[in-house]
This record gives sequence, structure tokens and C-alpha cells, in this order.
Amino acid sequence: EAQVTQNPRYLITVTGKKLTVTCSQNMNHEYMSWYRQDPGLGLRQIYYSMNVEVTDKGDVPEGYKVSRKEKRNFPLILESPSPNQTSLYFCASSSRSYNSPLHFGNGTRLTVT
Amino acid sequence: AQSVTQLGSHVSVSEGALVLLRCNYSSSVPPYLFWYVQYPNQGLQLLLKYTSAATLVKGINGFEAEFKKSETSFHLTKPSAHMSDAAEYFCAVSEAGNQFYFGTGTSLTVIP
Repeated sequence: EAQVTQNPRYLITVTGKKLTVTCSQNMNHEYMSWYRQDPGLGLRQIYYSMNVEVTDKGDVPEGYKVSRKEKRNFPLILESPSPNQTSLYFCASSSRSYNSPLHFGNGTRLTVT
Repeated sequence: AQSVTQLGSHVSVSEGALVLLRCNYSSSVPPYLFWYVQYPNQGLQLLLKYTSAATLVKGINGFEAEFKKSETSFHLTKPSAHMSDAAEYFCAVSEAGNQFYFGTGTSLTVIP
């Protein structure tokens, strides 16, 4: 089954404790991205990647890191989480071909206390 | 950069009534347009996408959207709302399959 898999689904952590949210897709997609969803703000892009070893900042990259060492994986790293990073996070992928939609994971709800 | 505007963060309709969710985009070139739906505690699912083959696009669950270039709009409609349509709806625009831009979403409530 074609899917984007994020882990964990729920995560509660404390300020400053490094964490990683994993994202993996099995569709051989070149494009992968991370979004955060906050009430009233919709989805805002954090980082995206056009292909292996190619990453770019989205609209809200501060406090986040990503890496794309393999085509299928695109982890999101919070080196020193803060309470304002409490949010719902989504990973998504796309084939980059004409009119190709984004395929989303089920989300990770992060709480930073 | 593109921008996407969804008028109305909350829309309520009675069961059986017409659903109309508005989306306007800013683009000087023909964009790639999508509507996504998000049910509670789930990720976003593709409802429909615009192709240049037709201005009226049919999606899943009876939804459709009409592309109007002169109005830079891509409004989502459904003739008769069902209780199961209650969800958050997002309009999105992409640039040549690269960057995707989302509206702030419209929460649809269906009143029995």
C-alpha cells in the first residue's frame, strides 16, 4: 500500500530535549516536505526537499533541522524544542510530475512543556 | 510566492443543503490546484485536483470544483451535504509540482 509513515503519532517532551520525528514514504517520490498545523493558521511549510541531499527552508524553518540522506526518509529534528513548537506536524511527499498531489502522513502531535 | 485565500474559516450548512467553500489564489500563470479534506485526528486526503482538460473537476464523495481563471477562483461545492462531510477543508496551489501553498482552511459543520 502506498503510504507516508510518520512516527511517533503523539509525543510529549520537555524544553530543550532533542527529538526526532521520522517520516518514510514507499512511493519513490522525489519531493518531501514538513508542515506544522496550528489553529487559524492552516498548514505552514517548515522544510522541503526536492531530492536526496537537497533541502530548502519553507516559511517557518526556525528551530528545526532536516536531512535527506535517502530518498524514502525525511526526518524532522528539533535540537532544542521550545513550547512554541507545540503543534501538529505533517510529513508529505509528491512525485513532482505534472499535477502530482501531495500524499500526507497521519501526523505527529507534539507537546513541549 | 503564491497565496491562497479561503473565505470563511467556519461554514455551517443543514444536512441536504448546498455546500460552497471558497478558494481564491494569486497567480499570473496557470497553477496546479487541489482540494484536501481532513477528518478529525487524521491526515489530509486529496479530494480533487484541477487538470487543464476541464474547468469543472469532479472529486470523491460527490464534491466538485470549478476553475475560473478570470476570477482566480477554485470554489468547492457539493449539491447535498451529508453528516459525514463534517471536516476541515484546505485549498492548495502548487508551482510546477514543487512548492505547495495552502489556505488557512475552512471547517465545515453539518447540522442535522
